[in-house]
Amino acid sequence: DTAVSQTPKYLVTQMGNDKSIKCEQNLGHDTMYWYKQDSKKFLKIMFSYNNKELIINETVPNRFSPKSPDKAHLNLHINSLELGDSAVYFCASSRRTSGGSSYNEQFFGPGTRLTVL
Amino acid sequence: AQSVTQLDSHVSVSEGTPVLLRCNYSSSYSPSLFWYVQHPNKGLQLLLKYTSAATLVKGINGFEAEFKKSETSFHLTKPSAHMSDAAEYFCVVSDRVNQGGKLIFGQGTELSVKP
Repeated sequence: DTAVSQTPKYLVTQMGNDKSIKCEQNLGHDTMYWYKQDSKKFLKIMFSYNNKELIINETVPNRFSPKSPDKAHLNLHINSLELGDSAVYFCASSRRTSGGSSYNEQFFGPGTRLTVL
Repeated sequence: AQSVTQLDSHVSVSEGTPVLLRCNYSSSYSPSLFWYVQHPNKGLQLLLKYTSAATLVKGINGFEAEFKKSETSFHLTKPSAHMSDAAEYFCVVSDRVNQGGKLIFGQGTELSVKP
């Protein structure tokens, strides 16, 4: 009955490789997000999609490419991985309010711990 | 611009004693404010939220927070700490004006609970 799920939970890879993280939500939400949590536990938004449309892109290197095939899925592909990409990546989802002017609270997935060697 | 400052990076309490985690925010518009909790190696769970209704907000597991506009604060409290409360707590702000649902996180406060 998982609300927001991510795969894989752990990802260990070499510098220069390309990898993907998948996220799925079964809450019927229309907005999905990717956040990065660094080694000091600081969380920062990377991307946001509403109804498959990119609405937030927070100056993330273009090696990171999110893709939303439908409202329930938001995947993150990372090219040419670097040591500094090592972090925990969280997916989240929420519902836009009926007036469309704001968003309800976000529900987070369990995270994907990426380690780049 | 929005920002959140959590005034303590680490708080340690004894089991059964009160918990106070302090948070100050800055926002150009009427903010929505949240507290999230992260247990070790877990995702984030919403404890409570303020969205312009009552200024005293009750959340899960006995936590509550009070929105004080004059002090730009949203401190989290609990009357009696339990061992299971040991975790990282994040104060979060979001402008209610359409900004794509962007959340701004504080730096986090690690709560330790001693037996």
